[in-house]
Amino acid sequence: ETVLTQSPGTLSLSPGERATLSCRASGSLRSGLLAWYQQKPGQAPRLLIYGTSSRATGIPDRFSGSGSGTEFTLTISRLEPEDSAVYYCHRDGVSTRAFGQGTKVEIK
Amino acid sequence: EVQLLESGGTVVQPGGSLRLSCAASGSTFSRFDTTWVRQSPGKGLEWVSTIKADGTTTYYSDSVKGRCTISRDRSQTTIFLQMISLRVDDTATYYCAKDFNAIDAGMDVWGQGTTVTVSS
Repeated sequence: ETVLTQSPGTLSLSPGERATLSCRASGSLRSGLLAWYQQKPGQAPRLLIYGTSSRATGIPDRFSGSGSGTEFTLTISRLEPEDSAVYYCHRDGVSTRAFGQGTKVEIK
Repeated sequence: EVQLLESGGTVVQPGGSLRLSCAASGSTFSRFDTTWVRQSPGKGLEWVSTIKADGTTTYYSDSVKGRCTISRDRSQTTIFLQMISLRVDDTATYYCAKDFNAIDAGMDVWGQGTTVTVSS
């Protein structure tokens, strides 16, 4: 079973800065089997990126996903105050799915 | 546009059982894989179970295997999660979510969640 490990645990940045969130898989993932979600307190998760690098409907273009194999990245190019949230990576598999443990993004 | 609404969460004693429901409006589940995800208080997201669009193929996490059954009603508008032998560590908000498409990872529609508390 492929485990996802996210880093860092917490990222504290100022508005306008670039945020780079990492998700490492314990085994190689087939192309397209990685997604990213944003979750704010008291809310359900929201899909940001599907298929490793495609933005979901309505997601601003400051969010981008990239990667392959075992290394994946979510980049927020210019942080806005409303980007304060926990971000999770997620993988599909043949018979299981899994989430990373999350990265908390704080806006100074 | 599809909307999902979970229900059935309640307070239950350890060893008890309950059934969660996820009702879809605006579409049916026949085209999408649908998944239950849970989140314990203050913790991260945990995949629980998935039912494929065919309505018969099901998958479970090791933490619930043998204690949970995911199913879909014949109208294909409601997904259920039957849970038995509940444990304190099953306490969580349970979300249902549908896949965006049949190829890529990504669940684009989520319900608001229903809360299960397992406590004596």
